[in-house]
Amino acid sequence: GDSVTQMEGPVTLSEEAFLTINCTYTATGYPSLFWYVQYPGEGLQLLLKATKADDKGSNKGFEATYRKETTSFHLEKGSVQVSDSAVYFCALSDQGAGGFKTIFGAGTRLFVKA
Amino acid sequence: DAGVIQSPRHEVTEMGQEVTLRCKPISGHDYLFWYRQTMMRGLELLIYFNNNVPIDDSGMPEDRFSAKMPNASFSTLKIQPSEPRDSAVYFCASRKTGEEKLFFGSGTQLSVL
Repeated sequence: GDSVTQMEGPVTLSEEAFLTINCTYTATGYPSLFWYVQYPGEGLQLLLKATKADDKGSNKGFEATYRKETTSFHLEKGSVQVSDSAVYFCALSDQGAGGFKTIFGAGTRLFVKA
Repeated sequence: DAGVIQSPRHEVTEMGQEVTLRCKPISGHDYLFWYRQTMMRGLELLIYFNNNVPIDDSGMPEDRFSAKMPNASFSTLKIQPSEPRDSAVYFCASRKTGEEKLFFGSGTQLSVL
């Protein structure tokens, strides 16, 4: 079945450092890909998405490019801030018999130090 | 819109007791999902509904878990009897047909002692 694998955390960075969180996926169809973010004590929020190969999703300085050849959707940000500390989830959404079902990776916790 | 509303925010109970978690999806959303989040297993999809009908419950761990959606604005997830290994954060999420973005509630932190 469909699955998402992302790098284990926690990831600890200093403010203004470059961020990469790796994500790869397995899917039988042609899924859409997402990054969700979870701030402490809250539910997940959509950060960005890409719906087809070579699409780049971007939001709040974060970017990810849908790479079909490597089945990857790595999250990047050029300069992180303390406020980016959160848990980041890679996810895919694929069409099944009952409509779209979203499958999440295990999440990667990011700590950004001032 | 108030967003997806879950209650209670926190639940502490003793092993063997019945636990009921509640969710109100966003008005107009016809899909509702229940997820469980643990350190060991991450975010797992338990069950989802479309137009109040359960579509896929393959993620429900065992018969102790049951979920219902009696109408478009309310769903429950029940655990009976509860066990310590059920301790987790349970999230409800909803979306509309044709849209892939999920809207999550704030979750219920369940502790079974």
